[in-house]
Amino acid sequence: DAGVIQSPRHEVTEMGQEVTLRCKPISGHNSLFWYRQTMMRGLELLIYFNNNVPIDDSGMPEDRFSAKMPNASFSTLKIQPSEPRDSAVYFCASTLETANEQFFGPGTRLTVL
Amino acid sequence: AQSVTQLDSQVPVFEEAPVELRCNYSSSVSVYLFWYVQYPNQGLQLLLKYLSGSTLVKGINGFEAEFNKSQTSFHLRKPSVHISDTAEYFCAVSDLDGGYNKLIFGAGTRLAVHP
Repeated sequence: DAGVIQSPRHEVTEMGQEVTLRCKPISGHNSLFWYRQTMMRGLELLIYFNNNVPIDDSGMPEDRFSAKMPNASFSTLKIQPSEPRDSAVYFCASTLETANEQFFGPGTRLTVL
Repeated sequence: AQSVTQLDSQVPVFEEAPVELRCNYSSSVSVYLFWYVQYPNQGLQLLLKYLSGSTLVKGINGFEAEFNKSQTSFHLRKPSVHISDTAEYFCAVSDLDGGYNKLIFGAGTRLAVHP
């Protein structure tokens, strides 16, 4: 199995631009999570999908952030407009609903100038 | 709500020495506990987990952890570390609060193994 796939691995953009991060979960997994990792705040859960439906988006910082999961094999996290304080590493993780272990992707390192 | 405290932000240790990384969590009726490792520029990888049963849990790479309910702790140990164990280690707890397996992570402990 290829594991959780994220793209791009690195993204550098300018303030005000739209940024789209992509995630392909492990085949057969029905739960997907987006996390953000920063030095100041550590690992924070942004949003949780189950069977492609957003269940918990309480961690999404503000309206500039949006996430979608149009099908079981693809999810996006979009930031529009981006700001320098959005600079972080964004992780996607997937699992089976009945399982406990979450499998993490390699992350996307976002830098907003 | 659950919370996780990793008592040491950094732990320097010499190669082949033993190491313990400490983790405490806030009390709850029942919890699942995890240790994840993050190597530089990589995602998180599960080291071990406690769901139920034996309080001593063995994981990959020679690591083990002991669940102590009375002390609400889940400390990670390895009897002899290698240079390759240099990484960041995260303790996490999940208690199904909110109806799903939400992981709450500690701030992380950076383990630096020196020759």
